Amino acid sequence: KQEVTQIPAALSVPEGENLVLNCSFTDSAIYNLQWFRQDPGKGLTSLLLIQSSQREQTSGRLNASLDKSSGRSTLYIAASQPGDSATYLCALSSGNQFYFGTGTSLTVIP
Amino acid sequence: EAGVAQSPRYKIIEKRQSVAFWCNPISGHATLYWYQQILGQGPKLLIQFQNNGVVDDSQLPKDRFSAERLKGVDSTLKIQPAKLEDSAVYLCASSQGLGAAQYFGPGTRLTVT
Repeated sequence: KQEVTQIPAALSVPEGENLVLNCSFTDSAIYNLQWFRQDPGKGLTSLLLIQSSQREQTSGRLNASLDKSSGRSTLYIAASQPGDSATYLCALSSGNQFYFGTGTSLTVIP
Repeated sequence: EAGVAQSPRYKIIEKRQSVAFWCNPISGHATLYWYQQILGQGPKLLIQFQNNGVVDDSQLPKDRFSAERLKGVDSTLKIQPAKLEDSAVYLCASSQGLGAAQYFGPGTRLTVT
C-alpha cells in the first residue's frame, strides 16, 4: 500500500525566506502528483500538478519537482509572504487510488 | 468558470440520525470524488465516480454510507445512521478525467453529537 509522508508537520519562517516542503512516497508507480494548499476552514486549492513523465512544474513563485526513483517530491516557495501561510498537502494518484499526505503547516512571520 | 459547489457548509446532528451532502462539480468534469478529512489528517478518498459509474468505493463504509451520481453531474453522499467518529469535513472534488488535476469544493463540516 502506498504511504505518503510530509515532514516537517509544521514550519515557521520569516518573511522573504525561500523554503522547501517535502513529500515522500513508498511506491514509485504513480500516475501523477499534485500539490495543494488548504486555508483554515476551507477546501483545497490546487497549486501544481506533475505528471509521472515530468520532473518539475513552475507557477509564479512556486516550483514543484518529482523524483520517482527516490520517492520524493519537493515544493519550493521563493520569497515567502505572510499570505503563503497555510497547510500544504501533496497527493498522488496510483491506479484508481488517491493518497494524501498529512500536510505541512506553514507560518510566514512578517 | 464556476468552481465545485457543496452544500450545506455546516451540519450538526445527533448520533444515529441521518444526513445528506450535495455536490455540483465543475461543468464538463467527468470524474467526481468524495473525501473525508478528519481534523489533523489528510483527506481520505471515500468514493470516485466516472460519469455516473463508480470507479472505486473500497474505503466507503457501505453499512452506513451511500453515494450516487444518477445523471453523471450532481452527486449526493448520505450517512445513515451517523456515529460520533463521522465528525469530519466532507470534501467533494472533480476533474476532467481519471488522473487529471482535481479541484475541490469548500467542504461540509459535519459535527455528530
